[in-house]
Amino acid sequence: AQTVTQSQPEMSVQEAETVTLSCTYDTSESNYYLFWYKQPPSRQMILVIRQEAYKQQNATENRFSVNFQKAAKSFSLKISDSQLGDTAMYFCAFMWDRTGANNLFFGTGTRLTVIP
Amino acid sequence: NAGVMQNPRHLVRRRGQEARLRCSPMKGHSHVYWYRQLPEEGLKFMVYLQKENIIDESGMPKERFSAEFPKEGPSILRIQQVVRGDSAAYFCASSRSPVSNTGELFFGEGSRLTVL
Repeated sequence: AQTVTQSQPEMSVQEAETVTLSCTYDTSESNYYLFWYKQPPSRQMILVIRQEAYKQQNATENRFSVNFQKAAKSFSLKISDSQLGDTAMYFCAFMWDRTGANNLFFGTGTRLTVIP
Repeated sequence: NAGVMQNPRHLVRRRGQEARLRCSPMKGHSHVYWYRQLPEEGLKFMVYLQKENIIDESGMPKERFSAEFPKEGPSILRIQQVVRGDSAAYFCASSRSPVSNTGELFFGEGSRLTVL
């Protein structure tokens, strides 16, 4: 099984500030997907951003962007202009990019609190 | 367009009873995935089904657990003779095509099982 590591169990950020959540992974594959999912108190898992490993350009979605370092196997999430609604658990996830790959491997999560 | 619907949201069972969790995928989605989340952990893959077929059950315990996705109706995750260790949140996700094609899953809000 692949390993996804999130070394920050909890983080906090002041509203309107920027925060970066870290994620590292371990794989021998060259083609794969990486994801950040958000789990608010409602518990629904919501896809925040996705990165294909073959793409060198870092993915961005509005206030969310990633810093993808393939050689270092690092995939951090940057949240700019943090809002109270960003308070949630954030999970990094990995999936092989090949036929027959059926599941995502998740990290243990980072609990982010946005402070007013 | 309704999202992935799971019910019940909360289920309490005594040891030895059966638990049945239901999942209706998003409209137009024929691929269903079940994940389990233990407290303070990330989600772990259990099983992947298409209509009337189990494609990959490599993450599901061999004993007491079963899943189905009939031609008509929701997908069912069934746990027989529940034990305290089965207490967890069970998430269903769906996709229009195999997740290996797009890398994107749509999750429901989960069903929280508590075994007394």
